Amino acid sequence: AQKVTQAQTEISVVEKEDVTLDCVYETRDTTYYLFWYKQPPSGELVFLIRRNSFDEQNEISGRYSWNFQKSTSSFNFTITASQVVDSAVYFCAQMYNNNDMRFGAGTRLTVKP
Amino acid sequence: DSGVTQTPKHLITATGQRVTLRCSPRSGDLSVYWYQQSLDQGLQFLIQYYNGEERAKGNILERFSAQQFPDLHSELNLSSLELGDSALYFCASSGTSGGGEQYFGPGTRLTVT
Repeated sequence: AQKVTQAQTEISVVEKEDVTLDCVYETRDTTYYLFWYKQPPSGELVFLIRRNSFDEQNEISGRYSWNFQKSTSSFNFTITASQVVDSAVYFCAQMYNNNDMRFGAGTRLTVKP
Repeated sequence: DSGVTQTPKHLITATGQRVTLRCSPRSGDLSVYWYQQSLDQGLQFLIQYYNGEERAKGNILERFSAQQFPDLHSELNLSSLELGDSALYFCASSGTSGGGEQYFGPGTRLTVT
């Protein structure tokens, strides 16, 4: 079955600390897509990144970086030098069959000043 | 601002009633996806329309239906409402028929009393 696991329910860090959010997925498909979304307290879902299953290159965007490893079925997200504005719930998701998106349960990140 | 609009923002109704949620996708996007976010079920994919046609179905109840109109806006109809249907309903749009990044609207919070 397709499943996305975010084992960390809540993480609390102090500003400027680095933090890694874990995501493990299960799939039998060879073609699939992985996503990260941010849900700040205001409630909207903000797109962060999309990765297809054939592209294992890590990506960096400012303070954000993503590590995709097919060997361990993981797609982890690291925030470097965290800031209070990073406080949100972060969702990892997997899309298969080109349409069906499965979300993990989310990790609530709290960054304290 | 993702460019996806949803109305209304909040909706309070009674059990047994029927409601319609509306979504306008980003300019140029042909795909519309509907999701439900609840405390017990998390974020669940309901249904996708692409250029007016149903493309994929997720965990959508038979009491729920959707359609996409020629101007590409979409409506999600929820009928015979139950207390358990109380949730945040998101619409997302994408420029592709599948696999692309999805941009989410602000959501409609439905409360069934």
